[in-house]
Amino acid sequence: EVQLLESGGGLVQPGGSLRLSCAASGFSFSTFGMSWVRQAPGKGLEWVSAISSVGGSTVYADSVKGRFTISRDNSKNTLSLQMNSLRADDTAVYYCASKPGTWVTTFDYWGQGTLVTVSS
Amino acid sequence: EIVMTQSPATLSVSPGERATLSCRASQSVSSNLAWYQQKPGQAPRLLIYGASTRATGIPARFSGSGSGTEFTLSISSLQSEDFAVYYCQQYNNWPFTFGPGTEVDIK
Repeated sequence: EVQLLESGGGLVQPGGSLRLSCAASGFSFSTFGMSWVRQAPGKGLEWVSAISSVGGSTVYADSVKGRFTISRDNSKNTLSLQMNSLRADDTAVYYCASKPGTWVTTFDYWGQGTLVTVSS
Repeated sequence: EIVMTQSPATLSVSPGERATLSCRASQSVSSNLAWYQQKPGQAPRLLIYGASTRATGIPARFSGSGSGTEFTLSISSLQSEDFAVYYCQQYNNWPFTFGPGTEVDIK
């Protein structure tokens, strides 16, 4: 069974940094594309970033480009999101999501999410 | 960026009735369209991909149709567990984008 478990969320001040992690189990991690999707409180879904199965390629939403960095460690079955220069509008539940294959297209499997709150 | 719109924003339906949800793309996404269901406090769940293919384990009462810019999700006979928010998502072009959602509530 595919399991994704996010961690690392919390309260951070504007301009601060936070690193999210997603621990994967129950599948061959290195053969799945991975992504982060976020949801602001009471709002809809927003794709944030994606990384290819072997980690050589990454894509970002314009809203986070230059501030967030997605990475993966296939030896540790872990996906990460380094978030710098955080703003109030980055406040959201952050989900990691996955799909078999080189890239995510659809988001077939989801974690339970981790809440990031950016506030002074 | 491809903008996705959904209508209606809220749909009130009685259990056992049919629900029809619409999704429109600002430009053609071919059949690269997915639907998700989200219940309060839960992560979204993939229902439909390729505009009309049900994901693993999704009941046959869920069906999708359309291509290009106009898409529909139908739920043939609403069950109590189907009351939720439904999102469409295009994956034809980066950045992948979601619609704002349709909330299906109990009439």
